[in-house]
Amino acid sequence: DSGVTQTPKHLITATGQRVTLRCSPRSGDLSVYWYQQSLDQGLQFLIQYYNGEERAKGNILERFSAQQFPDLHSELNLSSLELGDSALYFCASSVDGIQPQHFGDGTRLSIL
Amino acid sequence: AQSVSQHNHHVILSEAASLELGCNYSYGGTVNLFWYVQYPGQHLQLLLKYFSGDPLVKGIKGFEAEFIKSKFSFNLRKPSVQWSDTAEYFCAVTPISGNTPLVFGKGTRLSVIA
Repeated sequence: DSGVTQTPKHLITATGQRVTLRCSPRSGDLSVYWYQQSLDQGLQFLIQYYNGEERAKGNILERFSAQQFPDLHSELNLSSLELGDSALYFCASSVDGIQPQHFGDGTRLSIL
Repeated sequence: AQSVSQHNHHVILSEAASLELGCNYSYGGTVNLFWYVQYPGQHLQLLLKYFSGDPLVKGIKGFEAEFIKSKFSFNLRKPSVQWSDTAEYFCAVTPISGNTPLVFGKGTRLSVIA
């Protein structure tokens, strides 16, 4: 058990919709990272937060946004969903924000 | 921007065979290097990492990796694989300076057959 909790585990929705993915980091970890994993693109870094502040930004679309709350949990919001957004979305956490240490099981998002 | 190449998409080995998975990165400066493993249905786990010092790094479960700076490579090795090593393996790199996020390769799927 990595200590990182992601909900929901599976999400099925339609194009044009909006969803929110939630991540609770391992206890004591201050930094949260979001990754998108798809067959064609592999693991793509989306965004990182450290203690509530955005620290690094990757290939995150403008339709996507995220935040980290005072209790350190994070939410990734995906809007105007397209078929190509179907993927496994991973959250990871770390104490120091240098590199992700603990990964969640992911949320599998399927767009119909 | 840095990138990571894992040349083998799928490797199939028999139990007890030796393993070497290739990883090359492109970046001119000093980097930190990592190998992660994702067992079927599980989350990613850190296998080993290289920051500095001895270029031969030993990780968990008998894995090791060698950093060869001149070749920009960080290949993963294991002398004798087991069926339980069946998983997907990801190489990753990040520069040591700045807030540059970890960049992953596309992964190599390892299937170990009895």
